[in-house]
Amino acid sequence: GAVVSQHPSRVICKSGTSVKIECRSLDFQATTMFWYRQFPKKSLMLMATSNEGSKATYEQGVEKDKFLINHASLTLSTLTVTSAHPEDSSFYICSATRVGGLMNTEAFFGQGTRLTVV
Amino acid sequence: QQQVKQSPQSLIVQKGGISIINCAYENTAFDYFPWYQQFPGKGPALLIAIRPDVSEKKEGRFTISFNKSAKQFSLHIMDSQPGDSATYFCAASKLRRTGANNLFFGTGTRLTVIP
Repeated sequence: GAVVSQHPSRVICKSGTSVKIECRSLDFQATTMFWYRQFPKKSLMLMATSNEGSKATYEQGVEKDKFLINHASLTLSTLTVTSAHPEDSSFYICSATRVGGLMNTEAFFGQGTRLTVV
Repeated sequence: QQQVKQSPQSLIVQKGGISIINCAYENTAFDYFPWYQQFPGKGPALLIAIRPDVSEKKEGRFTISFNKSAKQFSLHIMDSQPGDSATYFCAASKLRRTGANNLFFGTGTRLTVIP
């Protein structure tokens, strides 16, 4: 199956600093990637939809100036958590859908990034 | 508003037993219903998916049952094994010819299979 690589898997940062998380589709092109946030024992909450070459679409309640998304190529999207605070500590997951075919169906997920802000 | 409702929240099953997780949706435009398996500290992985043109799909020990009129679908895990212990998420979306489909996830079910 297709592979989506997310890096880093874990990061600890100091409050006030910024953290960049990368999401790469390794063997397919993805015009659209999604960024999710997951709290412990909870479901995935969609934060934003990242479109290659254009601005990301953010879900209601998600601060776009705090969670910067860049989708510079068909295989890479980045999420930057700016001026991180302890309440931003969470598990962040990206997904990508393969381009092409009659219908875009299966979403492939990255391994997730555990962010801890101290 | 929760687009997809999932139950139970947690489930404990004896090894060899059948695990059943249920989901319900409201949006009749949804036409793609996948199930994901997630282990702690990992991203979700697609387990099995179904389109509404069939009422059942089976892959190995995993079966999806789909009831279009009731807007419900369920995951059955036959001969459950301790290695199946994970959190399971149902999801729904509307397939599109162009662009990617946004998945709406259920709240998750934590399955524990005891030896």
